[in-house]
Amino acid sequence: DAKTTQPNSMESNEEEPVHLPCNHSTISGTDYIHWYRQLPSQGPEYVIHGLTSNVNNRMASLAIAEDRKSSTLILHRATLRDAAVYYCILYTGNQFYFGTGTSLTVIP
Amino acid sequence: DSGVTQTPKHLITATGQRVTLRCSPRSGDLSVYWYQQSLDQGLQFLIQYYNGEERAKGNILERFSAQQFPDLHSELNLSSLELGDSALYFCASSVDPTGLTLDTQYFGPGTRLTVL
Repeated sequence: DAKTTQPNSMESNEEEPVHLPCNHSTISGTDYIHWYRQLPSQGPEYVIHGLTSNVNNRMASLAIAEDRKSSTLILHRATLRDAAVYYCILYTGNQFYFGTGTSLTVIP
Repeated sequence: DSGVTQTPKHLITATGQRVTLRCSPRSGDLSVYWYQQSLDQGLQFLIQYYNGEERAKGNILERFSAQQFPDLHSELNLSSLELGDSALYFCASSVDPTGLTLDTQYFGPGTRLTVL
């Protein structure tokens, strides 16, 4: 039973913002939301994580809905190097549950 | 380069065999995680060790086992291998000073296992 659901793929033009959605309707109060991305032929790499409030770092922003049942990863200006599979992950019960990921294509 | 090393990079073996995958975490990282990535199952958490002790268990089969040694490197042992065990196996590590596993995980490059 998937704990997170994401669109299979999305496209974005280079230098435009990208909003990657994730649904996690079964989230509980202490569950953290993590985002990792996986570039081709590499292991996943950390992007951002949060609990309740919106979060920003140098890579991206994470917007968490008030009811916490969904979140959105925001890449402010997509570059070609951002082409990757983005995973929305629920951290619950000492385990990370990966979604199926969204494959992001960045169009030059 | 994440600082996490995994050996070997590739492993080809036959059904019924046993293999050992090795992971060296980043210097100072106390937690080691193992994941399996396959085409049909995606990325799945297998097991976590923290400072030598098992901390959390995910979808790890009974034929699989892991351990973390005093020098903090870890090994994942896969036995009675089946065709369906063919996958990419990732190791990740994190500092995790509180044991709460909220720290950033740094992933290694993975070991590609092919079972023929």
